[in-house]
Amino acid sequence: EAQVTQNPRYLITVTGKKLTVTCSQNMNHEYMSWYRQDPGLGLRQIYYSMNVEVTDKGDVPEGYKVSRKEKRNFPLILESPSPNQTSLYFCASSPPHAGTGREQYFGPGTRLTVT
Amino acid sequence: DAKTTQPTSMDCAEGRAANLPCNHSTISGNEYVYWYRQIHSQGPQYIIHGLKNNETNEMASLIITEDRKSSTLILPHATLRDTAVYYCIVRVKGKSSGDKLTFGTGTRLAVRP
Repeated sequence: EAQVTQNPRYLITVTGKKLTVTCSQNMNHEYMSWYRQDPGLGLRQIYYSMNVEVTDKGDVPEGYKVSRKEKRNFPLILESPSPNQTSLYFCASSPPHAGTGREQYFGPGTRLTVT
Repeated sequence: DAKTTQPTSMDCAEGRAANLPCNHSTISGNEYVYWYRQIHSQGPQYIIHGLKNNETNEMASLIITEDRKSSTLILPHATLRDTAVYYCIVRVKGKSSGDKLTFGTGTRLAVRP
């Protein structure tokens, strides 16, 4: 089944303790992206990757890192989490541009709480 | 970036058509209209997209006005499982932003039994 998976789905951690949220897709998509969703603010893009070893900042990159060493994986790293990073996180991927736009496939979400 | 305006909430009866409007009066000629939905904090789900012609797939139909300033998503026979927040999005283009989707607040659709 074509899908985007994220782990963990739920995480409660403390300020300053490094964590990684994994994202993997099995559709051979080149483009991958991370969003966070907060009440009243909608989904905001954190980082995106156009292909292996190519990453760029989205709208809210502060406090986050990413890497793209393989096409299928795009982990989100919080080196020193803070309470304002408590949020619902989504990973997404999409196929190469086909000239008519492309849809994004989203993972199930990771609910992170930083105390 | 073209902004979109949607009603905050709507409801419809199960089995009836749900018509969700969206205004995007500042859309530019090469921007597409996308619709996604999000069911109760699950990952957003792609529904349909179009440029200027009407589109139909197994989930829905998309009607875009001739001047492209507004569109309507039609769920022909709404079911309880269609209860969700529906987002109308105009795709941001350009290498610097990748394929960023800018989600607004969407329309909360409630399907009544």
